[in-house]
Order: sequence, then C-alpha cells, then structure tokens
Amino acid sequence: EAQVTQNPRYLITVTGKKLTVTCSQNMNHEYMSWYRQDPGLGLRQIYYSMNVEVTDKGDVPEGYKVSRKEKRNFPLILESPSPNQTSLYFCASSGRDRLGNGYTFGSGTRLTVV
Amino acid sequence: AQSVTQLDSQVPVFEEAPVELRCNYSSSVSVYLFWYVQYPNQGLQLLLKYLSGSTLVKGINGFEAEFNKSQTSFHLRKPSVHISDTAEYFCAVSKATSGTYKYIFGTGTRLKVLA
Repeated sequence: EAQVTQNPRYLITVTGKKLTVTCSQNMNHEYMSWYRQDPGLGLRQIYYSMNVEVTDKGDVPEGYKVSRKEKRNFPLILESPSPNQTSLYFCASSGRDRLGNGYTFGSGTRLTVV
Repeated sequence: AQSVTQLDSQVPVFEEAPVELRCNYSSSVSVYLFWYVQYPNQGLQLLLKYLSGSTLVKGINGFEAEFNKSQTSFHLRKPSVHISDTAEYFCAVSKATSGTYKYIFGTGTRLKVLA
C-alpha cells in the first residue's frame, strides 16, 4: 500500500529535550515536506526537500531542522523544543509532477512540549 | 501575494441537506486547485483537483467542485451530506514560480453534519 508513515503519533516532551519525528514514504517520491497545523492557521510549511540532499526552508522554519540522506526518509528534528512548538505535524510527499498530483499525507504527529 | 481564503471556519448542516464550502484564491498566474479532507485523528487526503479542461470536477464520496476563473473561486459542493462527511476540509492551490513551485493551503472549514 502506498503510504507516508510518521512516528510517533503522539509525543509529550519537556522544553529543551531534543527530539526527532520520523517520516518515510514507499512511493519513490522526489518531493517531501513538513507542515504544522494549528487552529485557525491551517497548514504552514516548515521545510521541504526536492530530492536527496536538497532541502529548503518553508514559511515557518525557525526551531526546526531536517535532513534528506535517503529518498524515502525525511526526519524532522527539534534541537531544543519550546512550548510554542506544541502542534500537530504532518509529513507529505509528492511525485515528479507535484504541481498536478497533489500530496500524500502521513497520519500526523501530535506534539506537546511542556 | 498569493493567498487562499476559506470564508467559513465552521459549517453546520443537517443530514441529507446540500452543502457548499467556499474557497477563493488570489493569483496573477494560472494555478492548480485542490480540495483535501481531514477526518478526525487522520491526515489529509485528496478529495478532488482541477488542473485544466472542464470547470466542474468530480471527486470521491460524491463531492464536486466548480472552478470559476472570473470570480477566482473553487467552491466545494455535495447535494446530500451524510454524518460520515463530518470532517475538516482544506482548499489548496499550487503554481510554478521561478523554477520551483508553491503550494498554499487555506485555513480550513469544519463541516459538522447533524442528525
């Protein structure tokens, strides 16, 4: 089954404790992206990657890092999480014709930073 | 600047009634248009998309949307809703710009179907 897999689904952590949210896709997609979803703000792009070793900032990159060492994986790293990063996070991927194909989304990771 | 506006944050509607969820966009160039649905505790899934051709687009679960270039709108409709349609719906646009592309989501409309 074609899918984007995120882990964990739920995470509670303390301020300043580094964490990684993993994302993996099995569709051989070139394009991958991370979004955060907050009430009233919709989805805002954090980082994206157009291919292996190619990453770039989205609209809200502060406090986040990413890497793309393999085509299938695109982890999101919070080096020093803060309470304002409490949010629902989604990983998404898209194929070569990303303009017209739309995204395939993961099931989300609900992060709470206390 | 390009933007996507979903005019209604919440839409309550009775079961078997028709519904329209509104989406307007602003762009000076051609765009592709999408609607996504997010069921509780799930990720977003593609409902339908407009790329070109017929302005009336049919999607999954009986939904359809009409592209109106003059009004820069892409409203989502269903003639008769079910309880299971309760979800959040997101409109999105994508366009190519300067060798890359931009994908922008609206803020979402929460559809609540009442028994």
